[in-house]
Order: sequence, then structure tokens, then C-alpha cells
Amino acid sequence: EPEVTQTPSHQVTQMGQEVILRCVPISNHLYFYWYRQILGQKVEFLVSFYNNEISEKSEIFDDQFSVERPDGSNFTLKIRSTKLEDSAMYFCATRSQTGGQAFFGQGTRLTVV
Amino acid sequence: AQSVTQLGSHVSVSEGALVLLRCNYSSSVPPYLFWYVQYPNQGLQLLLKYTSAATLVKGINGFEAEFKKSETSFHLTKPSAHMSDAAEYFCAVSHSSNTGKLIFGQGTTLQVKP
Repeated sequence: EPEVTQTPSHQVTQMGQEVILRCVPISNHLYFYWYRQILGQKVEFLVSFYNNEISEKSEIFDDQFSVERPDGSNFTLKIRSTKLEDSAMYFCATRSQTGGQAFFGQGTRLTVV
Repeated sequence: AQSVTQLGSHVSVSEGALVLLRCNYSSSVPPYLFWYVQYPNQGLQLLLKYTSAATLVKGINGFEAEFKKSETSFHLTKPSAHMSDAAEYFCAVSHSSNTGKLIFGQGTTLQVKP
């Protein structure tokens, strides 16, 4: 069964550093999403991305965050200057153009120290 | 605006017992409702979804859920729990079945005791 792959599975970074979280979508999927889950809290929508541009973003997704598909395959989430409160599990999800369910990756656990 | 509340962050059942995980939603438009499961070190996997067709929805692994508009609920059930059902379960709502933007509940951890 096709799956969404996220790397790394766990990243520890110092406050103020930039991090890039990577997602390899299912091959024919064209809609991409990032979610995060702070420990003990809800899974929260961050951003949706289609046709090389952001289609929707939440209020969480401020100027510290950016997304792109740098090489037409990987889908990345960049946090420019990490804060302690960015520590969370980050999930990538992708969906085909024909609609239907979103498929989620296994997540990247980001720890900011 | 839409929101989801899952009652009970932890539920413990014995193997073979009924599983009932509760989910209530709030939505100003007709909702589309989903249950996802997350096994340890894995991604979120869709169990089932309600898309305004039948109110009783059957999913994978013997799970089902019933949409009750009058109660704004979408509780997940399974008649007989297996040890392999131990996982975290998330209820989610969206304004469309054709979207990846979901509003999630806080999740319920299901423990299955032998």
C-alpha cells in the first residue's frame, strides 16, 4: 500500500535554529498538508498546499513557517527560528487530485531545547 | 466554525469487551466526520468516514460509527476488542468530504487488557 514518508522521525534542535521537516508524498498526490500535535493537545491544521502555492493556512502558520516543494517530489516545512513552543509532532498528509481521503505520514517529533 | 470533542482521553477495556469511543461535534454546516487511528510509531490511518450517505458507517478492523444529528455525535464502536486495537483514536470533522483540512479532537487512547 502506498504511504507518505516523513523524515527525520525525530529531530532535536536548539532554540533559534532553523529546521526543515521533509515529506515524500504518494506519487500521484497533488494536495499537501501539514499538521502538528503538541504533546497532550489536539492535532492542529497548519497549512494546505496545491499547485505550488499555499491554498489555506491557520493562524498558527506565521512568518516563521514556510512550505515548498523544492524538487517537485519532496514537500517541506521550514521553521526559520525555532522556539520552545514549536516542540511537537508534525504530520504531513497528502491527497490525490480526484479527492477522497488524506493519507498521513508517521510524523516527525521535533524537540526544541 | 467547526470543533470536535472526544470524551475521555483514556479508555480501558478487557479483550472481548465492547469498545465505545465518544465523539461530539459542532458545525455550522453539514459535517463530514472521520475516525482515524494511530498505532505506535505510525501515521494516522483512516478507520471510517461519514459523508452524508448512510448514518451507520462501517470501517476497517470491525469498527463502525453512527452519525446522530440530534445528539451531534459520531461515536465509534466495536463489539469485541482485540489486543491489536490498542492505539490512539482521533475523531475529526470537515466541511467537505473532498478536503484534507480536518479539525481533530484531542484523541482517545484505547488500552485493551488481556
